Amino acid sequence: GQNIDQPTEMTATEGAIVQINCTYQTSGFNGLFWYQQHAGEAPTFLSYNVLDGLEEKGRFSSFLSRSKGYSYLLLKELQMKDSASYLCAVMDSNYQLIWGAGTKLIIKP
Amino acid sequence: ETGVTQTPRHLVMGMTNKKSLKCEQHLGHNAMYWYKQSAKKPLELMFVYSLEERVENNSVPSRFSPECPNSSHLFLHLHTLQPEDSALYLCASSQEAGGSYNEQFFGPGTRLTVL
Repeated sequence: GQNIDQPTEMTATEGAIVQINCTYQTSGFNGLFWYQQHAGEAPTFLSYNVLDGLEEKGRFSSFLSRSKGYSYLLLKELQMKDSASYLCAVMDSNYQLIWGAGTKLIIKP
Repeated sequence: ETGVTQTPRHLVMGMTNKKSLKCEQHLGHNAMYWYKQSAKKPLELMFVYSLEERVENNSVPSRFSPECPNSSHLFLHLHTLQPEDSALYLCASSQEAGGSYNEQFFGPGTRLTVL
């Protein structure tokens, strides 16, 4: 079967750095997405990785290792507004998105 | 503003009721999706439409009936639901239904409670 694993919940301090991991086992691979979802709101796109390596976008970076079936989302200089759920999703060989259950990130002052 | 709107935002219904969820996208996209999001579970893809044609139906019970009258509008008709159908129902759109880079834009969802 297809599976996406990410931690259920993480806690970090304002101003710090946090890394949210995602491991996947899917039938084929056509890219990995990270989305942010604030409570009661729509998921919004953060990043897309299809090749190995690090993609940096401001305070957020996303890393992919296809051989290890592994990705992480790195958030720097954490702000209170970063408190949200972070969803990892992999596009499989049928171009269907397989979603993880999401990681709830709690930022403390 | 994500360009995808959903109504109603909240809905409470009994198991014998019939109701409909509405989604509208203002992005000129060709593909639209219905997802079910339950607490602490992955997003579950329910239906995919590409240019108003249904291209995916992930074994969804017949008490959920989608309708896509045009590429900008998507409905989910509900009848004789069960309490376990209570969830957040998300609509999304993307430029195309396939393709490797296919960012999906989500609406805010309808929080459905079935009594």
